[in-house]
Amino acid sequence: AQKITQTQPGMFVQEKEAVTLDCTYDTSDQSYGLFWYKQPSSGEMIFLIYQGSYDEQNATEGRYSLNFQKARKSANLVISASQLGDSAMYFCAMRRPSGGYNKLIFGAGTRLAVHP
Amino acid sequence: DTGVSQDPRHKITKRGQNVTFRCDPISEHNRLYWYRQTLGQGPEFLTYFQNEAQLEKSRLLSDRFSAERPKGSFSTLEIQRTEQGDSAMYLCASSPSAGVNTEAFFGQGTRLTVV
Repeated sequence: AQKITQTQPGMFVQEKEAVTLDCTYDTSDQSYGLFWYKQPSSGEMIFLIYQGSYDEQNATEGRYSLNFQKARKSANLVISASQLGDSAMYFCAMRRPSGGYNKLIFGAGTRLAVHP
Repeated sequence: DTGVSQDPRHKITKRGQNVTFRCDPISEHNRLYWYRQTLGQGPEFLTYFQNEAQLEKSRLLSDRFSAERPKGSFSTLEIQRTEQGDSAMYLCASSPSAGVNTEAFFGQGTRLTVV
């Protein structure tokens, strides 16, 4: 069965420092997609970054990068130069190759607090 | 505003009452999804529409739940005879059909409290 594990319920980081949020996944599929979403207190899930299982290079989007280690089944999110506005819940999610549509399996999330 | 819109944002209802939520996806997106998020957990998939066709339903969607997308545009999620366990955030998302690595765009959700 597909599963996403986020082992850090909460993390804190000093403003302008980098932080790594952990995500491991379990799947027997060869083709899959991994996503990170941010959920501020307003409730909306905001897409941050995507990594395909066949992508050879780690994905990067601005201050976000995904440390993809396929053999270890991990997809950690790295946020560089943290900002106060980065304080939120962060969810790792996996999409199965079910016709390409976004049936996502989410982890339980990590609450990130950025301190000034 | 061209994002996914959900209405209402908050709903408090008494146990046993029926409730209906609405989702307006991004206009050019033909794929629409409903997720449920309980406190302290990540969202869980409920159902998926491609245009007006409901193509997948989770086992989480009991007989009391029904979702529709009659004209392939907006969607409604109805819960009949609400129970306290239905209290959750109900999130709607949409995505275009083309492309494998297209992300889903989420609305701000409807928070349901059953008292």
